[in-house]
Amino acid sequence: AQSVAQPEDQVNVAEGNPLTVKCTYSVSGNPYLFWYVQYPNRGLQFLLKYITGDNLVKGSYGFEAEFNKSQTSFHLKKPSALVSDSALYFCAVRDTAGGGADGLTFGKGTHLIIQP
Amino acid sequence: NAGVTQTPKFRVLKTGQSMTLLCAQDMNHEYMYWYRQDPGMGLRLIHYSVGEGTTAKGEVPDGYNVSRLKKQNFLLGLESAAPSQTSVYFCASSYSVREAFFGQGTRLTVV
Repeated sequence: AQSVAQPEDQVNVAEGNPLTVKCTYSVSGNPYLFWYVQYPNRGLQFLLKYITGDNLVKGSYGFEAEFNKSQTSFHLKKPSALVSDSALYFCAVRDTAGGGADGLTFGKGTHLIIQP
Repeated sequence: NAGVTQTPKFRVLKTGQSMTLLCAQDMNHEYMYWYRQDPGMGLRLIHYSVGEGTTAKGEVPDGYNVSRLKKQNFLLGLESAAPSQTSVYFCASSYSVREAFFGQGTRLTVV
């Protein structure tokens, strides 16, 4: 069965500094990887995905993520953090081994706090 | 383009009562999902559907039933609500195995 680990419950970053939110995964086949953001009392918004191809993927709001197959990681990054980036971030994976139709498996989420 | 719409947005139930949560999507997606979100536990899959008339169990299906009579709708039912089902419920849909799009959620409290 697939799984996702987000090792940090909370990440604190000063505004203007680079940020990284960590994610590692475990699958039987090849992974499809996703990052979502959730603002208070809202649904999840899709940020970016890795399906195949270039290991560095770019997404919405200046975010990017790097797929590292050997380390089974898909860390979310942004060169310069904004206070408005403060939110709850989820990493998710689909395992293509079983076709991938049985939903995304999510990590427990990481609270990102950007301090002015 | 509404995307994924969930109704109701809030509900309070008494233990033992039943209710149905409705999810509607207008993106012609084949795949639809119901998740629950609890603090510190991320999102957990309850049931999912890969097409009209088909449903399957996810990670935490006990106490819930689902139906997908129309492609655009996915219903989640609680036959006899329990306090452990107090949660925020999210519906999502996707085009095949690509990214899923989520509704705004239903906050359910069982007292």
